[in-house]
Amino acid sequence: SQKIEQNSEALNIQEGKTATLTCNYTNYSPAYLQWYRQDPGRGPVFLLLIRENEKEKRKERLKVTFDTTLKQSLFHITASQPADSATYLCALDPTGGFKTIFGAGTRLFVKA
Amino acid sequence: GAVVSQHPSWVICKSGTSVKIECRSLDFQATTMFWYRQFPKQSLMLMATSNEGSKATYEQGVEKDKFLINHASLTLSTLTVTSAHPEDSSFYICSAKPGQGYNEQFFGPGTRLTVL
Repeated sequence: SQKIEQNSEALNIQEGKTATLTCNYTNYSPAYLQWYRQDPGRGPVFLLLIRENEKEKRKERLKVTFDTTLKQSLFHITASQPADSATYLCALDPTGGFKTIFGAGTRLFVKA
Repeated sequence: GAVVSQHPSWVICKSGTSVKIECRSLDFQATTMFWYRQFPKQSLMLMATSNEGSKATYEQGVEKDKFLINHASLTLSTLTVTSAHPEDSSFYICSAKPGQGYNEQFFGPGTRLTVL
């Protein structure tokens, strides 16, 4: 069956460290993969998109990698800050598909 | 740019009543909007895809007669929860894609529905 999995356990890190979140998928061939941030009681906010032919994408303190062989994407936040505390959602668009499939998200807590 | 608003942000209603939620794209035209619901600590679940000028496409298991969607213009889609029951209580979120060249979605702030 098709699955998109994120670590359901919360990730706790110290301010200034690099946070790394994982997204694994099975039985999909995504044309691209996206990462969103969601704060409690709010709608998700788009962060980054990476295409199947791209290995890495950066935006300020954010970095996303995409390994289609491992069927995995890693999301990194460098020099993390308490304001980065949120739930981060992985989402993919299957090749030829129309709708976006979202993972359940990983909650990140950055301690000062 | 690419701002999506939703109204109301929260609503409490009695069982059996109908509730309408509006989703607007404020600074772009959206031929397609999406409606999701989300339960606590769970993933966004796509309910339906709303297309301007045509009928919405509902996901499997979503009752189209219960969740009425109207995409009246290129900037407005509405979701009406008819004869709401406590099990319909959830967080409803809409999103939109500005059109060609955009793969990401822009989400509204969500509407918390509580049915008593």
